[in-house]
Amino acid sequence: KQEVTQIPAALSVPEGENLVLNCSFTDSAIYNLQWFRQDPGKGLTSLLLIQSSQREQTSGRLNASLDKSSGRSTLYIAASQPGDSATYLCAAGSNYKLTFGKGTLLTVNP
Amino acid sequence: DTAVSQTPKYLVTQMGNDKSIKCEQNLGHDTMYWYKQDSKKFLKIMFSYNNKELIINETVPNRFSPKSPDKAHLNLHINSLELGDSAVYFCASSRHQTSGTDTQYFGPGTRLTVL
Repeated sequence: KQEVTQIPAALSVPEGENLVLNCSFTDSAIYNLQWFRQDPGKGLTSLLLIQSSQREQTSGRLNASLDKSSGRSTLYIAASQPGDSATYLCAAGSNYKLTFGKGTLLTVNP
Repeated sequence: DTAVSQTPKYLVTQMGNDKSIKCEQNLGHDTMYWYKQDSKKFLKIMFSYNNKELIINETVPNRFSPKSPDKAHLNLHINSLELGDSAVYFCASSRHQTSGTDTQYFGPGTRLTVL
């Protein structure tokens, strides 16, 4: 059974800092790893999808890496901004479904 | 031109009632999903349908019955509502079921409160 863990559960940083969010998964038989953003009271927005054959994906200030053999992914956010404040969820795609971690609540202080 | 829409956005009801939540996607996707996000914000899959066929039923009580009248719609009917059913329910869709390239697109959620 796939289990996904995210560390830290919450993170507070000053504006402008670079930061890393961590995600680990127990079953390496995944076909992709996805990172989502959730704003309070809203749905999920897809940020990055890394296929199992890829090592990383980049979109603007976001970079996600995947190490399938060790069951780890990281989301790197460069030059953080207050608008980045949200909950970040990682999800492992396997067995016809996404298994989510509990998320990291990020607060970027002006 | 919302990609994945859900109705209603909020639902407040008494214990024991029966209620339905509707979901529609206009993306032409083959696969649709229902997720439950509990009070601790943990998001867990409930059901998955591929081309109107049930693929995943993740040990959900049989009081929950999904129905897919066509590929673009996946509704969730809940019988005999219980306090523990209070949560936010998200609908999602993806182009295919298992492709490594396909992301899931989520609806805005339905906040269900059972009194």
